[in-house]
Amino acid sequence: EAGVAQSPRYKIIEKRQSVAFWCNPISGHATLYWYQQILGQGPKLLIQFQNNGVVDDSQLPKDRFSAERLKGVDSTLKIQPAKLEDSAVYLCASSSPGHSYEQYFGPGTRLTVT
Amino acid sequence: GIQVEQSPPDLILQEGANSTLRCNFSDSVNNLQWFHQNPWGQLINLFYIPSGTKQNGRLSATTVATERYSLLYISSSQTTDSGVYFCAVEHSNAGNNRKLIWGLGTSLAVNP
Repeated sequence: EAGVAQSPRYKIIEKRQSVAFWCNPISGHATLYWYQQILGQGPKLLIQFQNNGVVDDSQLPKDRFSAERLKGVDSTLKIQPAKLEDSAVYLCASSSPGHSYEQYFGPGTRLTVT
Repeated sequence: GIQVEQSPPDLILQEGANSTLRCNFSDSVNNLQWFHQNPWGQLINLFYIPSGTKQNGRLSATTVATERYSLLYISSSQTTDSGVYFCAVEHSNAGNNRKLIWGLGTSLAVNP
C-alpha cells in the first residue's frame, strides 16, 4: 500500500509570507497528525484529526497556523504570516485502529523562513 | 505528564560494532514505538512493541512494560544505521485520545 504523501518537499519563503503544506494519509486511516520538528528536537504535535474533526489542537499557534481536513481524507496546513522561528520540518502522520494505532510518517516538508 | 528519557544522547560506533539504546518512561502506556530518522529527515518505523521482544534483521527490541523501559539492540552496525533513534510512547488522556509522547532521541554515527 502507498505510504503517507506530502508536498512540497522543500519550501523557502520570506518572513511575513504565507505557505501551505499538503498531506495525503494512508488509504483508510481515519486519524491524521501534523507535527513540527525543529532541528535537533523531537517532533511536536500541532494538530490531530479524527476523520474531518479536530481531536487535539492544543499546541497549534492559532494566530498564524490553520489546518483543515474537509473530506476526512487529505489535509492542508497553512502558516500566515510566517516567522523566522517557523523554520522546521513539518511532518504528517496517519494511523488506524486496523493497524493498532501505529503512526506512519510521510517524508516531511522542510520549511526555511528567511 | 509522562516523561520519556532516552540514553545515551549521542553514540559513535565503528562499523561492525553492537550497541544498545535505552528508553525509560515514567507511567503506564498503551504502546511504544521505535523510529529511525535518517539524515534526510524521514522517520522510519522500526518497532511497534508494547511488550515482549521483536526482531527484524540486525535490529531487535525488548519492552518490559512492568518496569517501564524498552531497549533497542543494533548488531553489526553499518554506516546506513546513522541517524537519530526516537522512542515514543502512546498514552491516552481523560478523553481517551491517543497521542505519542516523544523522547529526545539518540544520535548515532557509524564510522566506516
